[in-house]
Amino acid sequence: GEDVEQSLFLSVREGDSSVINCTYTDSSSTYLYWYKQEPGAGLQLLTYIFSNMDMKQDQRLTVLLNKKDKHLSLRIADTQTGDSAIYFCAESPGGNTPLVFGKGTRLSVIA
Amino acid sequence: DGGITQSPKYLFRKEGQNVTLSCEQNLNHDAMYWYRQDPGQGLRLIYYSQIVNDFQKGDIAEGYSVSREKKESFPLTVTSAQKNPTAFYLCASSIETPLGELFFGEGSRLTVL
Repeated sequence: GEDVEQSLFLSVREGDSSVINCTYTDSSSTYLYWYKQEPGAGLQLLTYIFSNMDMKQDQRLTVLLNKKDKHLSLRIADTQTGDSAIYFCAESPGGNTPLVFGKGTRLSVIA
Repeated sequence: DGGITQSPKYLFRKEGQNVTLSCEQNLNHDAMYWYRQDPGQGLRLIYYSQIVNDFQKGDIAEGYSVSREKKESFPLTVTSAQKNPTAFYLCASSIETPLGELFFGEGSRLTVL
């Protein structure tokens, strides 16, 4: 079955770049997603990448996709304390199958 | 404003009692979902519904029940058969597009004493 793996914790200093990594198993995924969850709240879609793209940039966010290795990464430039949250990677198996989420990476930003 | 509303935000119940969590959306989305979140476990799918009067089990449906009588509403009942019900429950909805973005509610935290 589908599986999405990501490390559970990441700690960075304010102003540095953060890189959160994810591996997935379903090579037929059309879209891959990054969701952000702030404490005590629901998830919000942060960004996504279509499977035929290698990179997508959106202001401070850069998503890299390596389809051969089934590896997805999210880079946050100039990380701020407001970026402290849990970041979830998710894949879309296609058809009517719900998204498959990783366990989430808790990003802590040290001032 | 359009969105998903979950209630209550916090709920305390005694062991052995059934409890129902509410989820309402005014986004006109066809599909709705219930996830359970535990620390270090990520999101696990409980049930989902792609159309009114129809729903499917997710990965951890045992001990839970749902109904989908209206498009806007997808309540989740945590029954006494659920062995470890204390968790954060998230409801989501989506529209059928290739992107398939999920919109989440703010969550309900259930604590069983």
